[in-house]
Amino acid sequence: AQSVTQLGSHVSVSEGALVLLRCNYSSSVPPYLFWYVQYPNQGLQLLLKYTSAATLVKGINGFEAEFKKSETSFHLTKPSAHMSDAAEYFCAVSFYNQGGKLIFGQGTELSVKP
Amino acid sequence: KAGVTQTPRYLIKTRGQQVTLSCSPISGHRSVSWYQQTPGQGLQFLFEYFSETQRNKGNFPGRFSGRQFSNSRSEMNVSTLELGDSALYLCASSLDGRLLSNEQFFGPGTRLTVL
Repeated sequence: AQSVTQLGSHVSVSEGALVLLRCNYSSSVPPYLFWYVQYPNQGLQLLLKYTSAATLVKGINGFEAEFKKSETSFHLTKPSAHMSDAAEYFCAVSFYNQGGKLIFGQGTELSVKP
Repeated sequence: KAGVTQTPRYLIKTRGQQVTLSCSPISGHRSVSWYQQTPGQGLQFLFEYFSETQRNKGNFPGRFSGRQFSNSRSEMNVSTLELGDSALYLCASSLDGRLLSNEQFFGPGTRLTVL
């Protein structure tokens, strides 16, 4: 079965520290992978996506993620956290034959301490 | 360009009632997908419409239905509401959902509370 697992429902970092949000997927076919961010009372905003081009993907707001097929992972990183990064982050997967259907992980709430 | 709009933003209903939610995609987008977001189940795919046809469906009971109009606007309907239907319902649009290089743009959601 196709699924996405995000390790850690809550992650807390200090301002200026490295942000690392973990995402692993389970799939028997090549996936397309996405990271979305959700601020309170808002919809989802796409941070970055992997669609079988470069394995290291750069997104908005200084975030990047690396697709590692051998580890079935797509972890999200940012070298230096900012207070404005506090939000909920979702990893999602989709497949060529499933059109607009996204399968989401459970989400990771990121807190940034001053 | 205006973003994805969803109406209403907030809705309170009682058990047994039905509800209709509306989504207007970004101009030119032809694919509309619906998701349910709850604290317990997270984000779950409901269905996708493209050119007025349901192209993909999630694992929800038949009480959940939708449709898409010729202008790509979409509605979803939930009949015989249950307490567990309380959720944030998100709509997303894209040029064509099958082309995964097309970003899916999400609306702000409709918060449904069932009493």
